[in-house]
Amino acid sequence: AQSVTQLGSHVSVSEGALVLLRCNYSSSVPPYLFWYVQYPNQGLQLLLKYTSAATLVKGINGFEAEFKKSETSFHLTKPSAHMSDAAEYFCAVSDRDGYNKLIFGAGTRLAVHP
Amino acid sequence: GAVVSQHPSRVICKSGTSVKIECRSLDFQATTMFWYRQFPKKSLMLMATSNEGSKATYEQGVEKDKFLINHASLTLSTLTVTSAHPEDSSFYICSAIGKNTDTQYFGPGTRLTVL
Repeated sequence: AQSVTQLGSHVSVSEGALVLLRCNYSSSVPPYLFWYVQYPNQGLQLLLKYTSAATLVKGINGFEAEFKKSETSFHLTKPSAHMSDAAEYFCAVSDRDGYNKLIFGAGTRLAVHP
Repeated sequence: GAVVSQHPSRVICKSGTSVKIECRSLDFQATTMFWYRQFPKKSLMLMATSNEGSKATYEQGVEKDKFLINHASLTLSTLTVTSAHPEDSSFYICSAIGKNTDTQYFGPGTRLTVL
């Protein structure tokens, strides 16, 4: 069975500081991995995805994530946080069984302070 | 990117009534749509998976007679919460995935409040 663990339910950074949101996965097959962002009272927006191509994936809004098979990790980073980055971030793994069901992590709330 | 809409964005209803939520893929044909429920400050819980023209597949613990899902066309799926009760109050989010793609695109969600 697949699972996703997001370390840290809350992360707080200063504006301009590095953002690092951690995600570890468990999968019996080569995974597809996703990061989504959710702003208050809104649906989820895809930030980036890994689907067995390049291990370093660049997404929107300056975010990127690196797939590390040996560490079963897919951490999300951004070099310099902006106030508008404050949101909930979800890591997800796809079971790739034909329906591409997503298994979500518990989410990490990112706060950015001046 | 692909656009998915939901209607209504917010609904308040009385206990015992039924509520229908629509999910539409606006610029692509959705072979599969998913319905999620999200509790405050929690992650998304998959309720069911629906494919166009066939019965929905419900996750364990989700009552299919309570949450009726219809996927009548490649651009529309509906979720009907029947005989709603206050415990059904939640944020319901749909997503859609097109043919030969691997990415779910999410709707903006529907906030249901049952009084």
